[in-house]
Amino acid sequence: GAVVSQHPSWVICKSGTSVKIECRSLDFQATTMFWYRQFPKQSLMLMATSNEGSKATYEQGVEKDKFLINHASLTLSTLTVTSAHPEDSSFYICSASPGTGMSYEQYFGPGTRLTVT
Amino acid sequence: SQKIEQNSEALNIQEGKTATLTCNYTNYSPAYLQWYRQDPGRGPVFLLLIRENEKEKRKERLKVTFDTTLKQSLFHITASQPADSATYLCALVSTDSWGKFQFGAGTQVVVTP
Repeated sequence: GAVVSQHPSWVICKSGTSVKIECRSLDFQATTMFWYRQFPKQSLMLMATSNEGSKATYEQGVEKDKFLINHASLTLSTLTVTSAHPEDSSFYICSASPGTGMSYEQYFGPGTRLTVT
Repeated sequence: SQKIEQNSEALNIQEGKTATLTCNYTNYSPAYLQWYRQDPGRGPVFLLLIRENEKEKRKERLKVTFDTTLKQSLFHITASQPADSATYLCALVSTDSWGKFQFGAGTQVVVTP
């Protein structure tokens, strides 16, 4: 149980285009979903927290107009990287929590490798 | 500023020995700390959680200790196997930011037969 999927697992796009990444909780309802990015040999950096039906909360330094997050249902959150540039190339990972903000449990997706050329 | 530090050097260990990893933190009031395993190109997989009022947790060959005075957690893999080779991340949730995980950069463990 507690499986989180991400799609696509990797994507290559041209500079200036937009890319959408999906995060799904397959066997539980996720009240809260988190989006992280990870550069090689670095830690996961939290980008934003999203609760179903409300606007995402972005971490300091993360441009909300560039990284659009939609948490439209209890099993799906999407991250859209708008007008992508090579510096947006990274490993994007989502996680989902079945409880409220005080839940201890987070289940991570397998990640999406984004390469912007 | 808040920091979570893990040894950036890879830990090379012989099969059957115990691997010990360190996670140090500064300027946090931890509610709990978790350890994850991450394989290359994959998302983290949860291993163990320890709360700030707990000293030690065990799960099969894994053991975690938490010393809030030293501001440190130790993660042990006993009787290590080549399949344990991976990067191990510690993640901390502080009392003033419930639900938000702050991750260390991870320590790579390489277990050789």
